Amino acid sequence: GAVVSQHPSWVICKSGTSVKIECRSLDFQATTMFWYRQFPKQSLMLMATSNEGSKATYEQGVEKDKFLINHASLTLSTLTVTSAHPEDSSFYICSASFSGEGADTQYFGPGTRLTVL
Amino acid sequence: GNSVTQMEGPVTLSEEAFLTINCTYTATGYPSLFWYVQYPGEGLQLLLKATKADDKGSNKGFEATYRKETTSFHLEKGSVQVSDSAVYFCALSRAGGSYIPTFGRGTSLIVHP
Repeated sequence: GAVVSQHPSWVICKSGTSVKIECRSLDFQATTMFWYRQFPKQSLMLMATSNEGSKATYEQGVEKDKFLINHASLTLSTLTVTSAHPEDSSFYICSASFSGEGADTQYFGPGTRLTVL
Repeated sequence: GNSVTQMEGPVTLSEEAFLTINCTYTATGYPSLFWYVQYPGEGLQLLLKATKADDKGSNKGFEATYRKETTSFHLEKGSVQVSDSAVYFCALSRAGGSYIPTFGRGTSLIVHP
């Protein structure tokens, strides 16, 4: 149980274009979803937290207008990288949690490798 | 604020060796503590967790004990295998609206045959 999928698993795009990454909880209702960016040497940076039906809460230093997060349903959150540039190339990972017992545990998607040319 | 400090890697071991990856934390109150594992090219997976002092989390031969007095949650395994090669993340989570997590920087483990 508690499976999270991400799509696409990898994407290559041209500089200036926008890319959308989907994160789905397949067998549970995700009250909260998190988006991370993973840098070389494995460091994991929390970008934002989103609750279903409300605006995402962004971490300090993360541009809201550049990284658009939508959490429209209890099973789907999307991250759109707008006007992508080479410095946005990274591994993006989402995670999800549910309410109630076990709400402190996150279930991660497999990640999306974004390469901006 | 909350923080998690884990030992720098990479940790390189021979198969069947004993593993310890140190993790200490700073947090107010009583957080839940976790170890997540990331295999090459994949997302993170929950390895084990402990929710209160003196609890021991265990899974796949790995163990970690929640030590409040030393604010530690060290990961151990008695005999590692090549398939354990991965990056291990120590983390804590506290109730604060959405259980915002705090991760350590990760420790890479390389196990040689």
